[in-house]
Amino acid sequence: DQQVKQNSPSLSVQEGRISILNCDYTNSMFDYFLWYKKYPAEGPTFLISISSIKDKNEDGRFTVFLNKSAKHLSLHIVPSQPGDSAVYFCAASANSGTYKYIFGTGTRLKVLA
Amino acid sequence: SQTIHQWPATLVQPVGSPLSLECTVEGTSNPNLYWYRQAAGRGLQLLFYSVGIGQISSEVPQNLSASRPQDRQFILSSKKLLLSDSGFYLCAWSWMNTEAFFGQGTRLTVV
Repeated sequence: DQQVKQNSPSLSVQEGRISILNCDYTNSMFDYFLWYKKYPAEGPTFLISISSIKDKNEDGRFTVFLNKSAKHLSLHIVPSQPGDSAVYFCAASANSGTYKYIFGTGTRLKVLA
Repeated sequence: SQTIHQWPATLVQPVGSPLSLECTVEGTSNPNLYWYRQAAGRGLQLLFYSVGIGQISSEVPQNLSASRPQDRQFILSSKKLLLSDSGFYLCAWSWMNTEAFFGQGTRLTVV
């Protein structure tokens, strides 16, 4: 049972344009959501997070939007840069004291120069 | 500042051999600790997590086990490796319900 889903395995975007990565979840107990960036043969790097009490969080070129009713979140990268090319994972956790992070399958972003 | 160390970086082991991967965290106390695996072309699968010494929760029944002998040490083990145990293993830590921070990973190839 995949509780966190990233239905687009890959995405190509021109440099300078907006990249939009999507993520859906099924567990209504999730209340904290995160995005990670991963290069091959390295550990994921934390990018940005959002609590369920918010619907938007912004950090520089990265903005995460949360739609709780649709159980959907998205990561916007504006403007996209070639260095953003990587695999992006969304993750979710429920603040039930267990602090488990459930990850999606990832989306490979390629930013074309 | 907090740092996480995971070793070895790469490992090639024959089928049936034992496994021991070690992870240590510095600069924090009582962290939550995690082992994840990324199989080829797959997402990050949570294998084990621990909220304290000796407290291990298993997420996926399999050929692996985990132990936390010290507050900031997390060990992933197997008595007999299978071909299907090949993958990229990642250790991570978090404190309370904040973001998790990952180590650099171990590429395990079982031959």
